[in-house]
Amino acid sequence: KQEVTQIPAALSVPEGENLVLNCSFTDSAIYNLQWFRQDPGKGLTSLLLIQSSQREQTSGRLNASLDKSSGRSTLYIAASQPGDSATYLCAVNKETSGSRLTFGEGTQLTVNP
Amino acid sequence: GAVVSQHPSWVICKSGTSVKIECRSLDFQATTMFWYRQFPKQSLMLMATSNEGSKATYEQGVEKDKFLINHASLTLSTLTVTSAHPEDSSFYICSADRGDTQYFGPGTRLTVL
Repeated sequence: KQEVTQIPAALSVPEGENLVLNCSFTDSAIYNLQWFRQDPGKGLTSLLLIQSSQREQTSGRLNASLDKSSGRSTLYIAASQPGDSATYLCAVNKETSGSRLTFGEGTQLTVNP
Repeated sequence: GAVVSQHPSWVICKSGTSVKIECRSLDFQATTMFWYRQFPKQSLMLMATSNEGSKATYEQGVEKDKFLINHASLTLSTLTVTSAHPEDSSFYICSADRGDTQYFGPGTRLTVL
């Protein structure tokens, strides 16, 4: 059974810092991995999707890497801003047709002004 | 593109009543939709997979007679919480499958008094 772990569970940083969120998964037979953002009481916003054949994806200040063989992914946020404060969820998809996501517990990020 | 809506966004009901939550894919067709449940400060837990024109597939431990799912069209899935009790209070999120990823609705907050 696939298990997804995110470390740390919570993180508080001053504005402007670069930071790294970690995600690990037990079964490396994944099709893709996705990072989401969730604001309190809201749904999920997809940030980055990395296919199993890819090593990284970038969008603005965000960079996600994937090391499938070791079962790890990182989300790097550059020059953090208070608006980045949210919960970040990592999810892996093992299906080659359609998707079935297994989520981590999330990292709650607070960026202090 | 790829917008998913949920209605209502929040609902308060008395114990013993039934509540219906709608999930719509607004600009694409989805043969598969997913229903998740999220408790405070926890990650998303998959409840069931909703398939258009066929019966839903429920995850282990989820009562299918308690949580009725109907996927009557390619753009609409409904979740009905029957005879709701306070322990059913939670945040319910749906998603629609589009290729190799899911697009999430904004969630429905259910409070059972």
